[in-house]
Amino acid sequence: DSGVTQTPKHLITATGQRVTLRCSPRSGDLSVYWYQQSLDQGLQFLIQYYNGEERAKGNILERFSAQQFPDLHSELNLSSLELGDSALYFCASSPRTGGGEKLFFGSGTQLSVL
Amino acid sequence: QQQVKQSPQSLIVQKGGISIINCAYENTAFDYFPWYQQFPGKGPALLIAIRPDVSEKKEGRFTISFNKSAKQFSLHIMDSQPGDSATYFCAARDYQLIWGAGTKLIIKP
Repeated sequence: DSGVTQTPKHLITATGQRVTLRCSPRSGDLSVYWYQQSLDQGLQFLIQYYNGEERAKGNILERFSAQQFPDLHSELNLSSLELGDSALYFCASSPRTGGGEKLFFGSGTQLSVL
Repeated sequence: QQQVKQSPQSLIVQKGGISIINCAYENTAFDYFPWYQQFPGKGPALLIAIRPDVSEKKEGRFTISFNKSAKQFSLHIMDSQPGDSATYFCAARDYQLIWGAGTKLIIKP
């Protein structure tokens, strides 16, 4: 068990809808990362937060947004969903400031857009 | 320039054998090279990592070999066991991790 909790585990929704994915990092970790994993694109970095502030941005669509709250949990909001957004979304936390070192991944949220 | 090319896509090794997975990169600014292991239904887990000032790092049965001049690095799993069957990802860091496409490893008993 990595200590990172993601909810829900599975999400089925329709095109055009909006969903929120939630992540609770390991105790004491200030950095939270969001990744998208799909069969054709592999693991794609979306965004990183450190202690409530956006730290780095990757291939995140404008329809997607995230935030990290004072209690350090993070949410990834996906709106105007398209079929191509179906993927496994991972959250990872790290005790480091940034740069992707020592990432601890949650078990992911499987999003299916129908 | 930002890609990390991983091979092979899949690999079958007999129990007790050596599993070798390779990665190549172009960006000489990469400064950190981790390997992650992912089991079905789970997130990736950090296995071992190396920095470019070291040519080899060993942790138990897992070894990273790093060739800076060739811009290649590889994961060797010695005495491969059925429990090692998983998908393995290499990655390289510029300001964030760039991931390889993954290698599905099957260890046959």
